[in-house]
Amino acid sequence: AQSVTQPDIHITVSEGASLELRCNYSYGATPYLFWYVQSPGQGLQLLLKYFSGDTLVQGIKGFEAEFKRSQSSFNLRKPSVHWSDAAEYFCAVGGATNKLIFGTGTLLAVQP
Amino acid sequence: GAGVSQSPSNKVTEKGKDVELRCDPISGHTALYWYRQSLGQGLEFLIYFQGNSAPDKSGLPSDRFSAERTGGSVSTLTIQRTQQEDSAVYLCASSLTGWGTETQYFGPGTRLLVL
Repeated sequence: AQSVTQPDIHITVSEGASLELRCNYSYGATPYLFWYVQSPGQGLQLLLKYFSGDTLVQGIKGFEAEFKRSQSSFNLRKPSVHWSDAAEYFCAVGGATNKLIFGTGTLLAVQP
Repeated sequence: GAGVSQSPSNKVTEKGKDVELRCDPISGHTALYWYRQSLGQGLEFLIYFQGNSAPDKSGLPSDRFSAERTGGSVSTLTIQRTQQEDSAVYLCASSLTGWGTETQYFGPGTRLLVL
């Protein structure tokens, strides 16, 4: 079955600390992988995506993610978190039709 | 240009009533998607329109849910005989052609509360 797992429901980090949000997927074909962010009262915004080529992809707001096929993972990272990064983060997988399967999200809190 | 817009922003209805939710995609985008975001279920795909092709309705949870897209632009999601479990945020997204590598641009959503 096609699915996305985000094992961390809620994460709290201190401002300036590094961040890694985990994402594992199960997909029968070549996966196209996405990370979206949803700030309170806002719609979903794309952070980055991977579909081929270099397995380390750079996104907006200083985020990056690494695709590891052997681990079926696409973890999101940021070297230094800012208070404005507090939001909910969703990993998603899709295929040729662009019909996305989302994980349940990770809620990030940032401590001053 | 304008992003994806949805109306109404909020909708409160009584159980058993019908509701219509509207989505205006980005101009020129041929692909349009509906998702539902609810507590305990996360974000679920509902339906997908691409150009003049038959829509992919595989995510619709019951036959009370239907959607149409007129003129290849505006879409309406209709829920008949609403139930309390239909309470959720309904999100619409669009993309240029519907190819899998494209970015989907999401609207702000319609928050539906069924009393």
